[in-house]
Amino acid sequence: SAVISQKPSRDICQRGTSLTIQCQVDSQVTMMFWYRQQPGQSLTLIATANQGSEATYESGFVIDKFPISRPNLTFSTLTVSNMSPEDSSIYLCSVEGYTRSGNTIYFGEGSWLTVV
Amino acid sequence: AQSVTQPDIHITVSEGASLELRCNYSYGATPYLFWYVQSPGQGLQLLLKYFSGDTLVQGIKGFEAEFKRSQSSFNLRKPSVHWSDAAEYFCAVLGTGNQFYFGTGTSLTVIP
Repeated sequence: SAVISQKPSRDICQRGTSLTIQCQVDSQVTMMFWYRQQPGQSLTLIATANQGSEATYESGFVIDKFPISRPNLTFSTLTVSNMSPEDSSIYLCSVEGYTRSGNTIYFGEGSWLTVV
Repeated sequence: AQSVTQPDIHITVSEGASLELRCNYSYGATPYLFWYVQSPGQGLQLLLKYFSGDTLVQGIKGFEAEFKRSQSSFNLRKPSVHWSDAAEYFCAVLGTGNQFYFGTGTSLTVIP
């Protein structure tokens, strides 16, 4: 399994500001994923980040609002730009792990953002 | 299109009682299925997964799940619930393009 660390774990942010979330993995992984979990909701995939290429965004998410970096095989960042209260969510970094029996996805602890 | 349905939004059980959380999926091929648990203030932890073979899979914390192709279901069970099992449970299917599809979650409350 992969151990994933996210920073910050929690933050309270002012409307209109931007915040960058960091995700560090203890092993090299090809694909990293960023999810959003709005209060009381399930997880929604924001984008897939592969090292050395532009992130692939899901419908409803754009690079200007959620720029992503993937400088190497163990690290990624997600920025939430020009935040509004609607961006108050848990943001989760995840990676795909390969085992003998198949693929599994592992999650970080999440970054809990509250926008005021 | 792939999708996951968790019919029960919230379940309350007594400590020591048995538990079954329902999950139905929609996927054209043989699915890869997962159950995750999210404790309050925590991220998601993998409980168990099904890829192939034995349709009854064992997971951590005493959980098990049974894959039933005929019913398109992957229900999670535990014979005796502990107070620490109170959490949000998510069922997921790995679809095409290596994308995970999550259910809306089932919130479990355990009463003494």
